[in-house]
Amino acid sequence: GAGVSQSPSNKVTEKGKDVELRCDPISGHTALYWYRQRLGQGLEFLIYFQGNSAPDKSGLPSDRFSAERTGESVSTLTIQRTQQEDSAVYLCASSYGSIGELFFGEGSRLTVL
Amino acid sequence: KQEVTQIPAALSVPEGENLVLNCSFTDSAIYNLQWFRQDPGKGLTSLLLIQSSQREQTSGRLNASLDKSSGRSTLYIAASQPGDSATYLCAVNSNSGYALNFGKGTSLLVTP
Repeated sequence: GAGVSQSPSNKVTEKGKDVELRCDPISGHTALYWYRQRLGQGLEFLIYFQGNSAPDKSGLPSDRFSAERTGESVSTLTIQRTQQEDSAVYLCASSYGSIGELFFGEGSRLTVL
Repeated sequence: KQEVTQIPAALSVPEGENLVLNCSFTDSAIYNLQWFRQDPGKGLTSLLLIQSSQREQTSGRLNASLDKSSGRSTLYIAASQPGDSATYLCAVNSNSGYALNFGKGTSLLVTP
């Protein structure tokens, strides 16, 4: 595609429910990142995928968070048993290689009631 | 751990002024540095990418410089316009680790 695509753009859920966020990177980009941005805060790194290498999960805040990526294509970020503090915009980005220019999607805004 | 600081946190200027945004980082072992723009409720738009071997990059009215040894980068915006109003973020890609380290951004308001 022309850019990084994320869905849904907005998600409202009840506390305790599971949510799944999707990211479709730019075609040919081997690296994919997930970041979280809470209201008025900076970007917080969550997870990084590079090709077929083991992902860097060092930023995941708890075991309720997980992410998968199929090859060099779509990635899904899953949050289980959502809590109110999970409310944030979840941003996905991709690049060609681990040190290439990073391109972001528009984000998925998650609101946990 | 790489720490990235952006000064000032907020800036308001009248239209037409030239301005400089600052970014500093603690570990000079970097691959590159990237400047982004974020409009309210939107994702990040890449403005300029400077490789560690480069001193500056230019795109239109924007010029970004990099002094790796001193851990500093500046984003110069010439002849500012109200449409430049946004938050500007600096991100450093360090030799250690994969994730870009972001500053907290400078919120810019250009008044007509």
